[in-house]
Amino acid sequence: DGGITQSPKYLFRKEGQNVTLSCEQNLNHDAMYWYRQDPGQGLRLIYYSQIVNDFQKGDIAEGYSVSREKKESFPLTVTSAQKNPTAFYLCATRTPQRDSTEAFFGQGTRLTVV
Amino acid sequence: AQSVAQPEDQVNVAEGNPLTVKCTYSVSGNPYLFWYVQYPNRGLQFLLKYITGDNLVKGSYGFEAEFNKSQTSFHLKKPSALVSDSALYFCAVRDGNDYKLSFGAGTTVTVRA
Repeated sequence: DGGITQSPKYLFRKEGQNVTLSCEQNLNHDAMYWYRQDPGQGLRLIYYSQIVNDFQKGDIAEGYSVSREKKESFPLTVTSAQKNPTAFYLCATRTPQRDSTEAFFGQGTRLTVV
Repeated sequence: AQSVAQPEDQVNVAEGNPLTVKCTYSVSGNPYLFWYVQYPNRGLQFLLKYITGDNLVKGSYGFEAEFNKSQTSFHLKKPSALVSDSALYFCAVRDGNDYKLSFGAGTTVTVRA
């Protein structure tokens, strides 16, 4: 929230299509994260990036891809290989310059497969 | 590997009564612990964190949490709950030596008037 913009807020995708979710931040944070939220399962980590041009798989990376070409941007692509993509997706950022800092979250994108 | 458990899916309390939301964690290194709150169709809002020092930490909106190393717990508390505290609460943990941030499944709190 505040300084983290996720777009669009709602997204509809046909089966078999790739779709890209945007996450932009103006907080000058190095670390960025993508989470998926499903009812009763909490937040599950998809990918995270510590710095530009570097990212790591989280717990549920299969069917997703990311890039980190700019510090401000960390787009998430949901590919056709993701079997159940309908979910609420949250982007977060953190500044590890002070290692104890908390993460800040965007307002989320709700993706629905139709 | 690190993990967080929130054993209660739901917590129901009457307004004015104490509120407790439970959290236990597992990390290999030093735990950095966080509590967040989420309102419907919104992102998460930070409430408080434990990094080091006093085991009782105070945060936003009158919430506090107690870190217990021997029980690997970090329970969220509020002495007198409000109806407006009704929301979804998440506990999170990070190993101090890593960037990965892991969340629990969440606990839905309902405070009745």
